[in-house]
Amino acid sequence: ETGVTQTPRHLVMGMTNKKSLKCEQHLGHNAMYWYKQSAKKPLELMFVYSLEERVENNSVPSRFSPECPNSSHLFLHLHTLQPEDSALYLCASSQEGQTRIGGYTFGSGTRLTVV
Amino acid sequence: RKEVEQDPGPFNVPEGATVAFNCTYSNSASQSFFWYRQDCRKEPKLLMSVYSSGNEDGRFTAQLNRASQYISLLIRDSKLSDSATYLCVVNIKGGMRFGAGTRLTVKP
Repeated sequence: ETGVTQTPRHLVMGMTNKKSLKCEQHLGHNAMYWYKQSAKKPLELMFVYSLEERVENNSVPSRFSPECPNSSHLFLHLHTLQPEDSALYLCASSQEGQTRIGGYTFGSGTRLTVV
Repeated sequence: RKEVEQDPGPFNVPEGATVAFNCTYSNSASQSFFWYRQDCRKEPKLLMSVYSSGNEDGRFTAQLNRASQYISLLIRDSKLSDSATYLCVVNIKGGMRFGAGTRLTVKP
């Protein structure tokens, strides 16, 4: 596989459920990111991991919990979500020091619906 | 003030037209700049980086004015396949910040 892979592609969950989103990158990058894209809003940066350490958390509610076990994998654990959390969740990766040139590579996203 | 502001459009243009998009950013410490393209229900994909000297890639030309904190994208000879949302992106230490996007529809 190449690029950035996200699973599942679609997820419907109740407000009391616990689920996890998975992201895997095959590009040898050392930084990974979670973004949220709601309808007609800009992509919102949620979490940044660089060299497997979380370097940024943009005031994201604690019902979202990221995990980065190694430089190729990133998870977003979800629990007791609200309907307003329904959105497209995008994972991206980059190579620190080369972001200036190459930007980010995004996965196809997980479309989450909270009912 | 939003970190990255774009005219949301939509821009509806005929094939062959020239269209320009503008973007402003608020953080003067921004380090690098990009235009991304996002097709409906797909992920954003890098279109081109933007350099102070201006840069061109085929029918696409990007310009950056650091003093005015302004970025532009010019598309010449529009094709039907150019229809998409164009995202202005600014790299600030800690992560990239995206504009809400400008929607372009190219019609026959």
